[in-house]
Formats: sequence, structure tokens, C-alpha cells
Amino acid sequence: AQSVSQHNHHVILSEAASLELGCNYSYGGTVNLFWYVQYPGQHLQLLLKYFSGDPLVKGIKGFEAEFIKSKFSFNLRKPSVQWSDTAEYFCVLSGNTGKLIFGQGTTLQVKP
Amino acid sequence: EAGVAQSPRYKIIEKRQSVAFWCNPISGHATLYWYQQILGQGPKLLIQFQNNGVVDDSQLPKDRFSAERLKGVDSTLKIQPAKLEDSAVYLCASSIPHYEQYFGPGTRLTVT
Repeated sequence: AQSVSQHNHHVILSEAASLELGCNYSYGGTVNLFWYVQYPGQHLQLLLKYFSGDPLVKGIKGFEAEFIKSKFSFNLRKPSVQWSDTAEYFCVLSGNTGKLIFGQGTTLQVKP
Repeated sequence: EAGVAQSPRYKIIEKRQSVAFWCNPISGHATLYWYQQILGQGPKLLIQFQNNGVVDDSQLPKDRFSAERLKGVDSTLKIQPAKLEDSAVYLCASSIPHYEQYFGPGTRLTVT
């Protein structure tokens, strides 16, 4: 079965703290992996994506994620969060049809 | 470029009533998706169109939900009759095939 599991439902950090959001997936084939973000009152938007090649991918606003095939993981990281990073984050996989399968989401709250 | 447009933004109906949502994708995007996002969960694909043909509707409750994409551009999603468990945000997304999906603002449906 195709699925995405995010480790944390709600994370609270202080500004300048480091962030790591865990994501594991289950899929029997070649996957494309994404992190989408939804800032308060805004649309879902792409943060970063992995299709192939270098397993360490960099996205917008200083975010990065590492694809570890042996662990079926695609964790999101940022060395120093800002108040403006407060948002909901979704780990997403896509197979060969383009259909997106979303994790349940992690709400990140950054305290100033 | 203009983004994905959806209307209405909010809708409140009573159970057993019908409702329709409209989506206008980004110009030139052949692929259009409808997702359902229930509170606390990630979006779930309901139906995927390629131009005006259906690619995947495996998770569309066809006894009450229907969708069409006439002329391969705008799309409508209809629920008839609505149930309490249909309360959710309905998201429309569009893409060039196999590329990033762009999401609209969504329609928040409340069924009372």
C-alpha cells in the first residue's frame, strides 16, 4: 500500500532553534518526494522536491531534505527557524501517474 | 501568472442538500486534480483529469460525488446529496503533466 507517515503532529520551537521533521513512506516503485507548506491563510505551495540524483535537496527559505532510500525516509531540516516559518508542513509522495499522496501534516509553531 | 481559481470560498449547507464547486486552472495546464482535506488530515485525491478525460477517480464516492471538465479547462465538482462527513476543504490543483502541482485556495464546506 502507498502511504506517507509524518512523525510529529505538532511541533513548537523558539526562534533560532533547529528543525527536523520526520517522514517515512511506503511505495513499491520509484518515487518522487516533496515537502509542501501551507502558511496561515495561504495556498499550499511547494517547498522542495526530490526526483533523482543528489539525495540532499535544497528548497526555498533555507529548507533542505535528505532522501535515504534504505530507510524509506525524507526528513525536512532547517538549521535556524524564524517566526515566519510557522505553518503546516506536508510530506508527499508521487508515483508514476502524478497522483500525490499526502502525510497527515505537521503543524509548526515558532515562538518569537 | 494567475493562479488556480476556486469558488465559492465558503459554503454552508444542510445534509441531503446538493452543492457544486468550480475550479479554473492555470492557463495551459492539462492536468487538473480535486482533493478533499478533512480537518487534521492531509489532502486526499478525489479525481484527476488529463485534459477532459478522467485518469484516476478510484477514491471518488461515485454514489454522491461527480465531477466534469468540459472542454479541458474549467472543472466542477458536485455533491448530491451531502452528508455530515463531507464537511472538509475541497482543493483544486493543476499542473503540466508530471510537473509541480499548483493549488488553489480551496472551498471550505460545512454540512449541518
